[in-house]
Amino acid sequence: DAGVIQSPRHEVTEMGQEVTLRCKPISGHDYLFWYRQTMMRGLELLIYFNNNVPIDDSGMPEDRFSAKMPNASFSTLKIQPSEPRDSAVYFCASSSHSGSRELFFGEGSRLTVL
Amino acid sequence: GQQLNQSPQSMFIQEGEDVSMNCTSSSIFNTWLWYKQDPGEGPVLLIALYKAGELTSNGRLTAQFGITRKDSFLNISASIPSDVGIYFCAGQLSTSGNTPLVFGKGTRLSVIA
Repeated sequence: DAGVIQSPRHEVTEMGQEVTLRCKPISGHDYLFWYRQTMMRGLELLIYFNNNVPIDDSGMPEDRFSAKMPNASFSTLKIQPSEPRDSAVYFCASSSHSGSRELFFGEGSRLTVL
Repeated sequence: GQQLNQSPQSMFIQEGEDVSMNCTSSSIFNTWLWYKQDPGEGPVLLIALYKAGELTSNGRLTAQFGITRKDSFLNISASIPSDVGIYFCAGQLSTSGNTPLVFGKGTRLSVIA
């Protein structure tokens, strides 16, 4: 079975540019989570969806960040405009309702904003 | 938000040694999980614990759900070079139903051959 698929794996961009990160969850999973990982703060939950509906976005740093899940097999995390402090690894994870405590992570998207 | 205190932050050990790391919280959790992250990869689930006092093994790994529900530990026996990585504890609060996991900041393990 395919795991959680994220793209791009690496992105280098300049401050002020728009960044879009993409995620395909595991088929049949109805929870999707976006995390950000930095050395200083560890893994931080940004937002999560249940059945494509955003449930809690209190972890989204500011209005420059937005996330969508137009259907059960696709989600995006967008940063506009990007800033150097957004540099981090962004992980998407999914889980099924019955085992929502057991997350399956993608390989991450490493973002560098110059 | 809720925080998990994971220790130690990092460890350097000789191959063959046993390793122990733990997580504590001021809040009660009804689930504890342990994940491992290899360099350049996403975290992968190692062990899940669902009952206070539960002791579960997965090969050379053993984890326990503390009786108070406020802590958990992970032991690795006879470490090998491929044990290198970052180990995260994660917990789910008992009063919040189907809520997201809270993660510790990780224990970075280095194994010297």
